[in-house]
Amino acid sequence: EPEVTQTPSHQVTQMGQEVILRCVPISNHLYFYWYRQILGQKVEFLVSFYNNEISEKSEIFDDQFSVERPDGSNFTLKIRSTKLEDSAMYFCASSEVEDTEAFFGQGTRLTVV
Amino acid sequence: DQQVKQNSPSLSVQEGRISILNCDYTNSMFDYFLWYKKYPAEGPTFLISISSIKDKNEDGRFTVFLNKSAKHLSLHIVPSQPGDSAVYFCAASDFGGGGADGLTFGKGTHLIIQP
Repeated sequence: EPEVTQTPSHQVTQMGQEVILRCVPISNHLYFYWYRQILGQKVEFLVSFYNNEISEKSEIFDDQFSVERPDGSNFTLKIRSTKLEDSAMYFCASSEVEDTEAFFGQGTRLTVV
Repeated sequence: DQQVKQNSPSLSVQEGRISILNCDYTNSMFDYFLWYKKYPAEGPTFLISISSIKDKNEDGRFTVFLNKSAKHLSLHIVPSQPGDSAVYFCAASDFGGGGADGLTFGKGTHLIIQP
């Protein structure tokens, strides 16, 4: 069964450093998303992406964050100048068409120290 | 601002019985509702969804009921099986509003199926 894959599964970074989280969405999907879940809290929407541009973003997704689809398969989330509070599980998701159920990857645990 | 609320952090049910997970929402613009199941160290897995034009959707052992006037939905699992033990997230979206909207998740309910 096709699945969304994320790498790495765990990333530890020093405060102030930049990190790139990588995702390979399901191949025929056209809509891509990033969510995060801070430990003990709910899953929160960050951004959606379609046709090589951001479709929607939440207030969490400020200038510190950016997304890119550098080639035909990868979808990346870049976090510049990481802060301690960026520590969370980051989930990538994709959906076949607009407004259908999204399929999630297994997540990348980001730890900022 | 909790637009999607799951008021029971955990629920324990005996194997073979019915599990009922509840979810309330406040945003009247939500028109599509989903349930996701999550095991530890994995991403949420889509389970079942319902559009606001329906009041019930069934898929095997899983049924979702939507009461729009009460802004309430519930997930019924019957019969409950040990493999159903997981965290269940209710999620909602305003799909009719245009754009690839993100989902708004509840905090989740940890379902424990007792043998």
